[in-house]
Amino acid sequence: NAGVTQTPKFQVLKTGQSMTLQCAQDMNHNSMYWYRQDPGMGLRLIYYSASEGTTDKGEVPNGYNVSRLNKREFSLRLESAAPSQTSVYFCASRRLGGENTGELFFGEGSRLTVL
Amino acid sequence: GNSVTQMEGPVTLSEEAFLTINCTYTATGYPSLFWYVQYPGEGLQLLLKATKADDKGSNKGFEATYRKETTSFHLEKGSVQVSDSAVYFCALSPTGNQFYFGTGTSLTVIP
Repeated sequence: NAGVTQTPKFQVLKTGQSMTLQCAQDMNHNSMYWYRQDPGMGLRLIYYSASEGTTDKGEVPNGYNVSRLNKREFSLRLESAAPSQTSVYFCASRRLGGENTGELFFGEGSRLTVL
Repeated sequence: GNSVTQMEGPVTLSEEAFLTINCTYTATGYPSLFWYVQYPGEGLQLLLKATKADDKGSNKGFEATYRKETTSFHLEKGSVQVSDSAVYFCALSPTGNQFYFGTGTSLTVIP
């Protein structure tokens, strides 16, 4: 059982380039999330999707777009990368939308460097 | 609003020492509380959780008790091992879809 799979694991971009981070889960979870992790700042929510067909902004959405392609897949796009977007990105999923007892399951992370 | 405050690190302990990592929270309603652990180069994984007041979550020798009166969920382990070296995150989930994480506490255990 793969759980949450993110690709790519590493990426180097130049300022202004675009890219998409892909995330897929095989646990039939309704809710999916994108976080970024920066030193000393913990995890910050970029966007989340409570269920297929819906997306909502989190704490730091500027410079990002998302697509909930289907129940399994939730992608994060950087249209014009900036050095401030250098970070480790984590995708996560959760069993039921609205249930506050369910845990988050995380992917292994995607390390992005913007030069 | 909702937020989590956990003790600053890094924390360095000798093997077999007692560990406490403090976590306090502010939340609306009755949140669930979680501890996650992140080993080097990996994603976060659930360590333990508690879903209502006075619940005790436990796993791998770690424990934390949901204290509503002090709004706390401190992580403890009686005897740490080198393999416990990791970053530990306290988190809460109020009603709804969002999770709120603390900034993480780095633990290094030396032999």
